[in-house]
Amino acid sequence: GENVEQHPSTLSVQEGDSAVIKCTYSDSASNYFPWYKQELGKGPQLIIDIRSNVGEKKDQRIAVTLNKTAKHFSLHITETQPEDSAVYFCAAKKLSNMLTFGGGTRLMVKP
Amino acid sequence: GAGVSQTPSNKVTEKGKYVELRCDPISGHTALYWYRQSLGQGPEFLIYFQGTGAADDSGLPNDRFFAVRPEGSVSTLKIQRTERGDSAVYLCASSTGTLTSEQFFGPGTRLTVL
Repeated sequence: GENVEQHPSTLSVQEGDSAVIKCTYSDSASNYFPWYKQELGKGPQLIIDIRSNVGEKKDQRIAVTLNKTAKHFSLHITETQPEDSAVYFCAAKKLSNMLTFGGGTRLMVKP
Repeated sequence: GAGVSQTPSNKVTEKGKYVELRCDPISGHTALYWYRQSLGQGPEFLIYFQGTGAADDSGLPNDRFFAVRPEGSVSTLKIQRTERGDSAVYLCASSTGTLTSEQFFGPGTRLTVL
């Protein structure tokens, strides 16, 4: 089955700096890669996603890049703010509807 | 509009007891998913419904776990003879059902087995 690895497990940045989280996946058939933000006591919330026919996608301060050959994708957050502090999860999906999640990255943005 | 809701938000039970966890998906969403999230880990897939039928139950860990969605809307996850290792947050998500449609997650039910 699919295996998704996520790094780093924790990331601490100063407010205004950029944050980068990286994920690798094992199954070349995966074609959909969402990123979720999870705040304490809440369910994951989709912040951005990318499909396998696209190499990069940007939405304001958030961008995701995908390298299908290397089977890795990354989340980039620019101009970080304290409210960006949360746990971020990458995920991958094939034709089936199940998502396979990475282990999560705890992002801490220090004011 | 209303999102995915789950009840109860917290459930404490004793080892060996039976529990039911409920999920109300977004109205009109045909696909419904159950995931389990252990502390400090990412969610793990349990089961996926398309309408009333379980399209993929490959993530259910053993036969103590069962889920139903009799009318294609509300779903119930049932756990028999609970074990301490079942303690986790159980997340429900729903989507429109197309292959790359967004899955919207509920807040989860935190299950603690004493």
